[in-house]
Amino acid sequence: EADIYQTPRYLVIGTGKKITLECSQTMGHDKMYWYQQDPGMELHLIHYSYGVNSTEKGDLSSESTVSRIRTEHFPLTLESARPSHTSQYLCASTEGGPGQPQHFGDGTRLSIL
Amino acid sequence: DQQVKQNSPSLSVQEGRISILNCDYTNSMFDYFLWYKKYPAEGPTFLISISSIKDKNEDGRFTVFLNKSAKHLSLHIVPSQPGDSAVYFCAASEYNFNKFYFGSGTKLNVKP
Repeated sequence: EADIYQTPRYLVIGTGKKITLECSQTMGHDKMYWYQQDPGMELHLIHYSYGVNSTEKGDLSSESTVSRIRTEHFPLTLESARPSHTSQYLCASTEGGPGQPQHFGDGTRLSIL
Repeated sequence: DQQVKQNSPSLSVQEGRISILNCDYTNSMFDYFLWYKKYPAEGPTFLISISSIKDKNEDGRFTVFLNKSAKHLSLHIVPSQPGDSAVYFCAASEYNFNKFYFGSGTKLNVKP
């Protein structure tokens, strides 16, 4: 059973606020990912990390930032939230390598008023 | 440009019948293909995968078929059960397994 946790599950907040979405995994996976998904759309990769102190931007441009100070923790931060940031954010991790799928958290549904 | 496409947003099937979900891709460098299932308010969960060196992989009621020449894969669920009702995502990765590319999902409804 995969153990990857995201908090909060739901967040409704006003424009201009600073937001941090938390993601933690207990599997010791080196590779971690953040996806953004809107209803009926594909998952868009916005950030990924191959290990501690490694972060890369994904294929979808995002105004968010990430950090990877510890293997198990991969938080995503929005410095100043806007209504266009309203979406679902999914965190995932994997061992990497052949046959190793990603394990996903249950997501954070973010609404910016 | 979207590299993995699921052109059917929804599919409705009677319980006990076969469900066939389809996925097309454009990148010939993709080396591994995966299917995920997603229930509302939960994250996607891994279902089944296939390597590009195979054309079929089976796990219980679930079988994935890969046609590399057509850049097409499909997921067969036999027999379909009401608990299979969910959104199914197709995903692909290149040989280095660093990044995964997802389709937009197909919502399967299995009617009792």
